[in-house]
Amino acid sequence: EAGVVQSPRYKIIEKKQPVAFWCNPISGHNTLYWYLQNLGQGPELLIRYENEEAVDDSQLPKDRFSAERLKGVDSTLKIQPAELGDSAVYLCASSLSSYNSPLHFGNGTRLTVT
Amino acid sequence: KNQVEQSPQSLIILEGKNCTLQCNYTVSPFSNLRWYKQDTGRGPVSLTIMTFSENTKSNGRYTATLDADTKQSSLHITASQLSDSASYICVVSARRQGNKLTFGTGTQLKVEL
Repeated sequence: EAGVVQSPRYKIIEKKQPVAFWCNPISGHNTLYWYLQNLGQGPELLIRYENEEAVDDSQLPKDRFSAERLKGVDSTLKIQPAELGDSAVYLCASSLSSYNSPLHFGNGTRLTVT
Repeated sequence: KNQVEQSPQSLIILEGKNCTLQCNYTVSPFSNLRWYKQDTGRGPVSLTIMTFSENTKSNGRYTATLDADTKQSSLHITASQLSDSASYICVVSARRQGNKLTFGTGTQLKVEL
């Protein structure tokens, strides 16, 4: 099966500019996650979707971050405006809805804000 | 507050040797514990998932153990290979919180010749 696909792989932008990340999950996976990972740290959840519904966005900085999952498949994560502290790797993951299902991660988008 | 602590932070071993990574957690109520392997520049890949009733699970040369009473887990790697060089992340899921996952910061393993 094809894995979770993320694009772009790398992105360099100046602060205050907008940026968007795209994720295509594994076919049939109802649950989709966006995580932020800083160097040497574990991933931190930004938002979790069950189908097209955002069921946990408590850690999403809503003043500058937004996300959508149209038709319950692909998802985009947007930052506007970006700040220097947003430099990190943004990981997308998907899973079946079962509580014991493993997460399948994409290879992430490395964002550098200058 | 749910927490997952891993030790050691980093480890260097010679190829062919065995090693054991540790994970302590305070996540409650417990649902399951997962180990992931993350190669540099890649996303994490699932190695094992263990529920409360499981105290050991293997995936090739990787063997995870779980002691739900002491809230400890270990990941044992047998006959290490250069390709085992990666970060190993312990993740614990909490029941009744939407199975929210708490990630550890990982153990960085380097296998040398």
